[in-house]
Amino acid sequence: DQQVKQNSPSLSVQEGRISILNCDYTNSMFDYFLWYKKYPAEGPTFLISISSIKDKNEDGRFTVFLNKSAKHLSLHIVPSQPGDSAVYFCAASARENSNTGKLIFGQGTTLQVKP
Amino acid sequence: GAVVSQHPSWVICKSGTSVKIECRSLDFQATTMFWYRQFPKQSLMLMATSNEGSKATYEQGVEKDKFLINHASLTLSTLTVTSAHPEDSSFYICSAAKGGFPRGNTIYFGEGSWLTVV
Repeated sequence: DQQVKQNSPSLSVQEGRISILNCDYTNSMFDYFLWYKKYPAEGPTFLISISSIKDKNEDGRFTVFLNKSAKHLSLHIVPSQPGDSAVYFCAASARENSNTGKLIFGQGTTLQVKP
Repeated sequence: GAVVSQHPSWVICKSGTSVKIECRSLDFQATTMFWYRQFPKQSLMLMATSNEGSKATYEQGVEKDKFLINHASLTLSTLTVTSAHPEDSSFYICSAAKGGFPRGNTIYFGEGSWLTVV
């Protein structure tokens, strides 16, 4: 049972354009969502997060949008840069696990930003 | 930031043998560490939560006797794959929680370990 889904395995975007990565979830107990970025041969690194009490969180070029009714979140990268090319993982945390650090991950989306 | 190191990065072992993977938090103490595995084109699947000084909490479907987890100190957790078989070949990655309320943005990942069982 895949509780967090990233249905697009890959995305290719031209430098300077917007990259939109999508994530869907099924568990209504999730109340905290995160995006991680992973380069080859490295572990995932935290990028940005959003609490379920918000619908938007922005950090520089990165913005995460949360649509609770649709159980959908998206990561926008504007403008996209070649250095953004990586695998992006969506992850979710349930209220009951807020003190445990337990995260449920999506399958990841490979973003390629072309110069 | 914080650094989590995993060793070895790559390991090949013969079927039936055991292999140990180490996860170290280099510049902070981690009361809680997590072990994940990832199959190609699939998500990171949580295997177990490792708590310093106590038994690990395993996720449903993960064999405790096959995947031995030891969290002997605040900076080291180990995963031992016992009697490994080819189907255990996978990418194993650990993470460590920094701080008392680890809500994801205070969790740091190791580089991961590729295990190939031949």
